[in-house]
Amino acid sequence: GQNIDQPTEMTATEGAIVQINCTYQTSGFNGLFWYQQHAGEAPTFLSYNVLDGLEEKGRFSSFLSRSKGYSYLLLKELQMKDSASYLCAVRNQAGTALIFGKGTTLSVSS
Amino acid sequence: DAGVIQSPRHEVTEMGQEVTLRCKPISGHDYLFWYRQTMMRGLELLIYFNNNVPIDDSGMPEDRFSAKMPNASFSTLKIQPSEPRDSAVYFCASSMGQGRYGYTFGSGTRLTVV
Repeated sequence: GQNIDQPTEMTATEGAIVQINCTYQTSGFNGLFWYQQHAGEAPTFLSYNVLDGLEEKGRFSSFLSRSKGYSYLLLKELQMKDSASYLCAVRNQAGTALIFGKGTTLSVSS
Repeated sequence: DAGVIQSPRHEVTEMGQEVTLRCKPISGHDYLFWYRQTMMRGLELLIYFNNNVPIDDSGMPEDRFSAKMPNASFSTLKIQPSEPRDSAVYFCASSMGQGRYGYTFGSGTRLTVV
């Protein structure tokens, strides 16, 4: 079977750093994606990892360990606008569709 | 580009009625995906197409659901007859290949079946 696990909710304060974890068990692996989804809106692409290691893009970074079936999304210098749901998604084989986790709702307070 | 365009944005219908959701992918994208999102189950893949051909429809819940892609610029998802448990947000997404840039999602159709 296939399973992607993320915490349901997280809270943090403005200016802080937060790490959102994702673990996966899939029949294969061909890339891991993170998406951001604000309430009532569509998911938007944040990051992509296919090799082990850290990918940095501005305030956001994503890490992957294929041997552990583990990824995290790191958000630095949190802003109120970062309050959203963050979805982890895995492609288990080349050419197949993404399988999404249920998402982590992040609430940023002042 | 206008992005992925879905219509209608909201649909309220009575149980037993036919519902048709529409999607126009980004021009040049060769993959099109239909997903359904609920609080309980998250974002679930229903079906996807490559070059207008259905590749995997194993996520379609039952025979009441059908999807077509008659050409590269249009796809429909039909539910007949609709049931209250079909209430969800239905997203269409498209991509060029299956590379590192992921999918572009449409704004979704919020379906309520009463």
